[in-house]
Amino acid sequence: GQQVMQIPQYQHVQEGEDFTTYCNSSTTLSNIQWYKQRPGGHPVFLIQLVKSGEVKKQKRLTFQFGEAKKNSSLHITATQTTDVGTYFCAGPPMRKGGSEKLVFGKGTKLTVNP
Amino acid sequence: SAVISQKPSRDICQRGTSLTIQCQVDSQVTMMFWYRQQPGQSLTLIATANQGSEATYESGFVIDKFPISRPNLTFSTLTVSNMSPEDSSIYLCSVEPYSPDTQYFGPGTRLTVL
Repeated sequence: GQQVMQIPQYQHVQEGEDFTTYCNSSTTLSNIQWYKQRPGGHPVFLIQLVKSGEVKKQKRLTFQFGEAKKNSSLHITATQTTDVGTYFCAGPPMRKGGSEKLVFGKGTKLTVNP
Repeated sequence: SAVISQKPSRDICQRGTSLTIQCQVDSQVTMMFWYRQQPGQSLTLIATANQGSEATYESGFVIDKFPISRPNLTFSTLTVSNMSPEDSSIYLCSVEPYSPDTQYFGPGTRLTVL
């Protein structure tokens, strides 16, 4: 079955440093999404990327979808303490007809030292 | 975004008992999803609930253990039956109110089984 892998599993940075998490799927994805889960909270949808090679920005966050639609990255510039949390990528495999379930990566837990 | 509520927010239960978790959405949605998130882990889909039909369960999850109801387009329940300590997890419902695959999660139910 489809597997979605994320690295690193944990990342600790000093406030102001940049942060990147990488997501790799064993199969081609129809789209990829990123979610953020704060400590003690629930996953919150951040963004969806659909097109091959797509890049989207949200303030200090930059999301990329690979050309082969099998990998993605999330880059945070100049981290702040509010960025603390676990970042999950998720994606369904390319549809051959019918619905395919969303498969989540294991997440990257980010901690930020003020 | 869609407003999703879950009851209870947390519970501590005894082994062998059952707990029913409720999920309410402020708009009508076709599909509702139930996930389990074990401590420090990623999200695993338990089942998909469509109104008017039986829920579709993922591999490793069975109806006898996790019966689901979906009486209307804004409400669903998940029951965790005959609980054991291994069922201690966060249980999350989610919906796709705007576009396929883009999921919005409820606040979760934190279950501890003693």
